[in-house]
Amino acid sequence: AQSVTQLGSHVSVSEGALVLLRCNYSSSVPPYLFWYVQYPNQGLQLLLKYTSAATLVKGINGFEAEFKKSETSFHLTKPSAHMSDAAEYFCAVSHSGNTPLVFGKGTRLSVIA
Amino acid sequence: SAVISQKPSRDICQRGTSLTIQCQVDSQVTMMFWYRQQPGQSLTLIATANQGSEATYESGFVIDKFPISRPNLTFSTLTVSNMSPEDSSIYLCSVRTVLNQPQHFGDGTRLSIL
Repeated sequence: AQSVTQLGSHVSVSEGALVLLRCNYSSSVPPYLFWYVQYPNQGLQLLLKYTSAATLVKGINGFEAEFKKSETSFHLTKPSAHMSDAAEYFCAVSHSGNTPLVFGKGTRLSVIA
Repeated sequence: SAVISQKPSRDICQRGTSLTIQCQVDSQVTMMFWYRQQPGQSLTLIATANQGSEATYESGFVIDKFPISRPNLTFSTLTVSNMSPEDSSIYLCSVRTVLNQPQHFGDGTRLSIL
């Protein structure tokens, strides 16, 4: 069964600094990978998705992620953090296009002024 | 993407009672799912809501506790039955409009059991 592991339950960065949120996947077949963001008291919003096209995926709000098969990783990055990026971030995996998402435990991002 | 409306957005309930959560989508979707997010935790899949047939439940979730209906391609309900404080969670409806597309989420129902 597929799964994802998010390293670090809490990441804190200074405003303007690089954001790096880690996600490693476990899957016996090429997976569909996703990053979602959850702001306080809201549902989940899709940031970006990897579906076996380009390995570098650009998403909304300046975020991007790179699929590295050799490292089984799909880390999320943003060159310069904004205060508005403070939220909970979830990495998720799907075995195929018709199976439900399985989520990692999430990483809470704090941005310090 | 589809617009997903969940009702109620939040509720406070007495233990032993039941609550039905509604999920309405503004367009027909192929797949609908229900997730639970316990306080400070990640999302756990409860079940896949199947149109016109019984839902497919994940390990640890049973129909008697979480009955689900999906009468058509735009609507589903999740009932949390005989509630206890351990059921205090956010319950989220999620849809996939077509195969091979991402899942989208409603804003969730925040449920507290006293």
